[in-house]
Amino acid sequence: DAKTTQPTSMDCAEGRAANLPCNHSTISGNEYVYWYRQIHSQGPQYIIHGLKNNETNEMASLIITEDRKSSTLILPHATLRDTAVYYCIVRVGNNAGNMLTFGGGTRLMVKP
Amino acid sequence: NAGVMQNPRHLVRRRGQEARLRCSPMKGHSHVYWYRQLPEEGLKFMVYLQKENIIDESGMPKERFSAEFPKEGPSILRIQQVVRGDSAAYFCASSPPSQSNYEQYFGPGTRLTVT
Repeated sequence: DAKTTQPTSMDCAEGRAANLPCNHSTISGNEYVYWYRQIHSQGPQYIIHGLKNNETNEMASLIITEDRKSSTLILPHATLRDTAVYYCIVRVGNNAGNMLTFGGGTRLMVKP
Repeated sequence: NAGVMQNPRHLVRRRGQEARLRCSPMKGHSHVYWYRQLPEEGLKFMVYLQKENIIDESGMPKERFSAEFPKEGPSILRIQQVVRGDSAAYFCASSPPSQSNYEQYFGPGTRLTVT
């Protein structure tokens, strides 16, 4: 699976949009971009995933650049409960058999 | 639909004892994954199982660790003769067999402390 690079930490004001970047310059054509987050001491939570088109769900939006070498997770109106470590993961195929390879993630601190 | 369940949530073992961690996947899910998170570190894949089969155990330590997912009942991660370095949070995840949805859903984890 391709390696990802994320900033170690970010701050965001409550109510503002949180934009979390991820670089995955070695991504290959059959690899999807997944985002998970881990709130302190809890199990990771799936947020969103995409291949090449931008995606939106009730939690977030995922913007993938045209060359697919980077992406941005957008939390449109961050709340204090969004404080967590956010993991960008590139994963081969849309296949149940592939494990998730977690890097260091971005520690997002939402401040009042 | 209940989420992934893990028990116990906290487990304390003395060095040399055995630890058994249980994971019940979400209803209808036939794929189970185990991950380990050492203190202040990221999650590391350990093993991937389907019912009665180990599919990928590339992340499992070669000794003392074993996993199973029997036809009936929860998946079990077993650690024999625990050492202090085994102290960690162990997370189980499950995913469905359908082709349209391969997200992994995680349980709350079991925190193992070896004294």
